[in-house]
Amino acid sequence: DGGITQSPKYLFRKEGQNVTLSCEQNLNHDAMYWYRQDPGQGLRLIYYSQIVNDFQKGDIAEGYSVSREKKESFPLTVTSAQKNPTAFYLCASSTGQGGMTEAFFGQGTRLTVV
Amino acid sequence: QKEVEQNSGPLSVPEGAIASLNCTYSDRGSQSFFWYRQYSGKSPELIMSIYSNGDKEDGRFTAQLNKASQYVSLLIRDSQPSDSATYLCAAGGFKTIFGAGTRLFVKA
Repeated sequence: DGGITQSPKYLFRKEGQNVTLSCEQNLNHDAMYWYRQDPGQGLRLIYYSQIVNDFQKGDIAEGYSVSREKKESFPLTVTSAQKNPTAFYLCASSTGQGGMTEAFFGQGTRLTVV
Repeated sequence: QKEVEQNSGPLSVPEGAIASLNCTYSDRGSQSFFWYRQYSGKSPELIMSIYSNGDKEDGRFTAQLNKASQYVSLLIRDSQPSDSATYLCAAGGFKTIFGAGTRLFVKA
């Protein structure tokens, strides 16, 4: 079955620790995105990538980093510079450029600072 | 700052009624519009997309777009308790901007 797989589903981070969230898709989509969702708020764009080996900052990129070495994979690292990382993280992909086509989401990773 | 505005709700309707969800957007360059349904603790699921002015129907769902008014709506006919969720409106241009969502509660 085609889809987007995020792992892990739940992740706990200690203060000062870097953690990496995985996102893999087998939909053959060119574009991939990372969003952050906080309670009662909409989705905020962290990073996006439209082609392999290229990515752009979204609205809240500080404290995060990404890579796009393969079309299928777009991992997100939450660094120690991100002071309030507790949130629900969503990875998405789409066929076209930017926001012109529908985005499909993975099941999300819930990150908690302990 | 480009924005998508939604009433946070909750919007409460009885089973079998029509639920009407509304959304406005600020970026006149937006060309594509989407409605996503998100159950509590789950990821958003695309239910409708609309690209041109007018209505688009898919089963019990109808999306309406008015670009002159920068207004998008979603009608859910014959609402069911299983429709109870948060509905996210999104406007796509170079990037997709999401609203904060409207919580819908369908009473049995």
